[in-house]
Amino acid sequence: KQEVTQIPAALSVPEGENLVLNCSFTDSAIYNLQWFRQDPGKGLTSLLLIQSSQREQTSGRLNASLDKSSGRSTLYIAASQPGDSATYLCAVRYTNAGKSTFGDGTTLTVKP
Amino acid sequence: DAMVIQNPRYQVTQFGKPVTLSCSQTLNHNVMYWYQQKSSQAPKLLFHYYDKDFNNEADTPDNFQSRRPNTSFCFLDIRSPGLGDAAMYLCATRSGSGLHNEQFFGPGTRLTVL
Repeated sequence: KQEVTQIPAALSVPEGENLVLNCSFTDSAIYNLQWFRQDPGKGLTSLLLIQSSQREQTSGRLNASLDKSSGRSTLYIAASQPGDSATYLCAVRYTNAGKSTFGDGTTLTVKP
Repeated sequence: DAMVIQNPRYQVTQFGKPVTLSCSQTLNHNVMYWYQQKSSQAPKLLFHYYDKDFNNEADTPDNFQSRRPNTSFCFLDIRSPGLGDAAMYLCATRSGSGLHNEQFFGPGTRLTVL
């Protein structure tokens, strides 16, 4: 069974800290992996998409890495801000036509 | 500038009273998805369309139906809502071709069942 796990479920950090969110998947034969942000009561906002052939993607203060051999992706957030507080979800797709398997997310709180 | 639009944002219905949620997109994407998301849980895929081809998840209740009359619009029909159907319903789209195959989500419709 293809499972996606995000640990921890919740994380609280002081403003300005660099932090790493984790996403683990059981089947390493992925097609791509996408990181999302979800604010309370809202839809999902796409942050970064990594193709299976890529090792990392960067957007501003965000950097996502992919290590298929270990079944792991990380989302690195530099110089965290209170506005980064949200739930972060990763989603793994195994084929172009296939569905995405989501993790349950990590809820991040950045304290001023 | 909105790319995936969901209406209404909030929907209240009575137990057993049919309800329809709508989704439209300006991206001309081939693939459209409906997800159900309950509090603190991952989105759960109900079904998706690849163009006109309908794909139902095995565990999606028969109470949930969908229609896609054209590329831009997709509807979720809940024939007899129960209390357990109260959730956020998310619509998403994807190109279905090319390398940059991101899913784009709408803002969601929060369904309350009284």
